[in-house]
Amino acid sequence: DAKTTQPPSMDCAEGRAANLPCNHSTISGNEYVYWYRQIHSQGPQYIIHGLKNNETNEMASLIITEDRKSSTLILPHATLRDTAVYYCIVRAATLNNAGNMLTFGGGTRLMVKP
Amino acid sequence: DVKVTQSSRYLVKRTGEKVFLECVQDMDHENMFWYRQDPGLGLRLIYFSYDVKMKEKGDIPEGYSVSREKKERFSLILESASTNQTSMYLCASSTGQGQVQPQHFGDGTRLSIL
Repeated sequence: DAKTTQPPSMDCAEGRAANLPCNHSTISGNEYVYWYRQIHSQGPQYIIHGLKNNETNEMASLIITEDRKSSTLILPHATLRDTAVYYCIVRAATLNNAGNMLTFGGGTRLMVKP
Repeated sequence: DVKVTQSSRYLVKRTGEKVFLECVQDMDHENMFWYRQDPGLGLRLIYFSYDVKMKEKGDIPEGYSVSREKKERFSLILESASTNQTSMYLCASSTGQGQVQPQHFGDGTRLSIL
């Protein structure tokens, strides 16, 4: 799986959009970009994933650059409950079950402030 | 909504005890996973299962075993607990073959071995 690079921490004002960047310059053609977050003392929570098109769901939007070497997770109106560590992961889609492990890097610690 | 339920949030056991951690998912998912999460080491896969009665070793299976007698339930067993197994244990599930579908996590069990 391709390596990802994220800033270690970011601040965001409550009610404003939070834009979390991720670099994945060695991404391969069959690798998807996933975002998870982990609020303190809870299990990781899936947010969104995409291959090359931009994606949106009820939680967030995912913008992937045309060359797919970077992406941005957007929380459109951040709340205090969005304070968490956000993980960007790149994983290949395969048809076998080997190597199903999910690997989290350091992530970005997002602090939403009142 | 996706629901993965782990039987205990906090557990304290003694060295040498046999410990059972239970996980239940209500999404009819084929795949289930057990991870441990430790500061500085991220997530590490212990075992996973892609079908009833099937199991595959992850990166760190030593000292652990698993059981999947029913599709919705995946149990992690510490055969003889040791202090180095003090950790946060996370169960996850996902649907289908391959790695495209996201994994959904429970809230974790914080296990302390004294």
